[in-house]
Amino acid sequence: NAGVTQTPKFQVLKTGQSMTLQCAQDMNHNSMYWYRQDPGMGLRLIYYSASEGTTDKGEVPNGYNVSRLNKREFSLRLESAAPSQTSVYFCASSEWHPNTEAFFGQGTRLTVV
Amino acid sequence: LAKTTQPISMDSYEGQEVNITCSHNNIATNDYITWYQQFPSQGPRFIIQGYKTKVTNEVASLFIPADRKSSTLSLPRVSLSDTAVYYCLVGVTSGTYKYIFGTGTRLKVLA
Repeated sequence: NAGVTQTPKFQVLKTGQSMTLQCAQDMNHNSMYWYRQDPGMGLRLIYYSASEGTTDKGEVPNGYNVSRLNKREFSLRLESAAPSQTSVYFCASSEWHPNTEAFFGQGTRLTVV
Repeated sequence: LAKTTQPISMDSYEGQEVNITCSHNNIATNDYITWYQQFPSQGPRFIIQGYKTKVTNEVASLFIPADRKSSTLSLPRVSLSDTAVYYCLVGVTSGTYKYIFGTGTRLKVLA
């Protein structure tokens, strides 16, 4: 049982480049999330999808877009990467939002130079 | 600005009980309080969740006062492997609804 799988695990981008972070879960969860975690800081919610077909902004949505492709997959896109987006990105899923246990992926470490 | 605050760090010795508090003044009426543990280079892992009073599972207890403006995670008899960062997670309302992790508490367990 893989749980939540994120790809890639590491990525280096140049300023202005675009990329998509992929996330898939195999637990038949309804809700999915994207967080970022900066060095020495906690996790901040970028976007979430409470159920298939819906997406909502979190605390720090600027510079990002998301797509809930189907029930399993939730992608995060950086259209024009900036050094301020250097961070570790975590995807998570839960049975329902917000009051159920969330399962997290291993993270994607992104560096924008 | 809605904030969820925790002590930055705590040290403890093996075998002791550790209590970590989280302050969440603007917690949403219907939201639970959830605690997570995070080791370096890993995603957070669920520890415990509660709505009010006291909840206990095989690894921790969670104490929530009647006003629900704070919560306390209690780890009984910690071991070296409990060294990690601990986060609370709540939904808060301060104008708009936000789902916010606490600032995190770095627990170091000493031999």
